[in-house]
Amino acid sequence: AQSVTQLDSQVPVFEEAPVELRCNYSSSVSVYLFWYVQYPNQGLQLLLKYLSGSTLVKGINGFEAEFNKSQTSFHLRKPSVHISDTAEYFCAVQGGSEKLVFGKGTKLTVNP
Amino acid sequence: DAGVIQSPRHEVTEMGQEVTLRCKPISGHNSLFWYRQTMMRGLELLIYFNNNVPIDDSGMPEDRFSAKMPNASFSTLKIQPSEPRDSAVYFCASSNRGLAGELFFGEGSRLTVL
Repeated sequence: AQSVTQLDSQVPVFEEAPVELRCNYSSSVSVYLFWYVQYPNQGLQLLLKYLSGSTLVKGINGFEAEFNKSQTSFHLRKPSVHISDTAEYFCAVQGGSEKLVFGKGTKLTVNP
Repeated sequence: DAGVIQSPRHEVTEMGQEVTLRCKPISGHNSLFWYRQTMMRGLELLIYFNNNVPIDDSGMPEDRFSAKMPNASFSTLKIQPSEPRDSAVYFCASSNRGLAGELFFGEGSRLTVL
């Protein structure tokens, strides 16, 4: 079985500050990793994904994430956030033929 | 391009009533997922269809819940009878890569059972 832990339920930051949203996973097989974003009253949409290859993955809206196999982590980063980045972010893992498992989410609030 | 379309967006009903949520996946996608989102439990996968066939319904809470996919462009999630603890946002998502790859989510159906 696989699982995902998002270490912070809420992250408040000021506009133009850097941000890191942490995600750790456990799985006994090779995994695919995803970050999804959910804006208020909307469904989730894909931010970025790691399937194979380069461990640094770039996504939409200036976000990037790094796959670290030894630490079983897939942290999401952005060097300078904007008010419009306020949303809930979900890390997800899928390994082998297992179904996609989502973390509990991290609410990012960007303050002026 | 049309995304995943869900209806109704909001539903308020009384305990004991039947609720039917509807979903139209993206054309060409062969996998469809129903999720439930609550504050307490987060995002839970209820059931997953591949080529209109239910593959995994282990997340369906109990017999009051049922889901169908009569064709590639339509699915329903039914709750009968509904209970207050069923109050949640229900999302439908589709994919063209089965369990792997990107899921495309609808905007959700917010259900309130009084």
